[in-house]
Amino acid sequence: GNSVTQMEGPVTLSEEAFLTINCTYTATGYPSLFWYVQYPGEGLQLLLKATKADDKGSNKGFEATYRKETTSFHLEKGSVQVSDSAVYFCALTYTGGFKTIFGAGTRLFVKA
Amino acid sequence: DAGITQSPRYKITETGRQVTLMCHQTWSHSYMFWYRQDLGHGLRLIYYSAAADITDKGEVPDGYVVSRSKTENFPLTLESATRSQTSVYFCASSGEQGRHSEAFFGQGTRLTVV
Repeated sequence: GNSVTQMEGPVTLSEEAFLTINCTYTATGYPSLFWYVQYPGEGLQLLLKATKADDKGSNKGFEATYRKETTSFHLEKGSVQVSDSAVYFCALTYTGGFKTIFGAGTRLFVKA
Repeated sequence: DAGITQSPRYKITETGRQVTLMCHQTWSHSYMFWYRQDLGHGLRLIYYSAAADITDKGEVPDGYVVSRSKTENFPLTLESATRSQTSVYFCASSGEQGRHSEAFFGQGTRLTVV
């Protein structure tokens, strides 16, 4: 079946550090891949997405590249800020489905 | 206001009481979802709906009831609340089927059952 696995947290970084959150997936066909972010006290919101192999999604300095050969969609940011502290969810949707499959979420703490 | 709204934002109820969480979206999205979020469990799907009058169970439906008489509303009812239902509940909607569907989330309802 379809599933998403992401690295366990929490991840704690100092401001301006480099961020990587790993995400791998299992899916039949050609899924679309997403990163959602949840700031404290809020619902999830879309951060970025990629709909086909080798596509790069980007937003707010975050990037992720759809790697079909490694079934991965790792989230990266070159220099994190305190305001990036949140929970990050990797997710996929798939042809013929309408439910989003979410990973377990990774909590990021950024220290000043 | 456009978007997806949940009410109430916070609710405290007693064990055994019935409680209804409301969800309203203004986009006329076909698909709507209820999730609960608990530490260590991520997001778990409770119920979903593909259209008005069409609902189906998700991963953790026991103890919950939904209805969808209008496209824009998708209330979630806890028939007899238990402490294990203390959680943060999120409603979401999606306008498309298939690989391009993006989910839009409400702000959540924090429910405490005492």
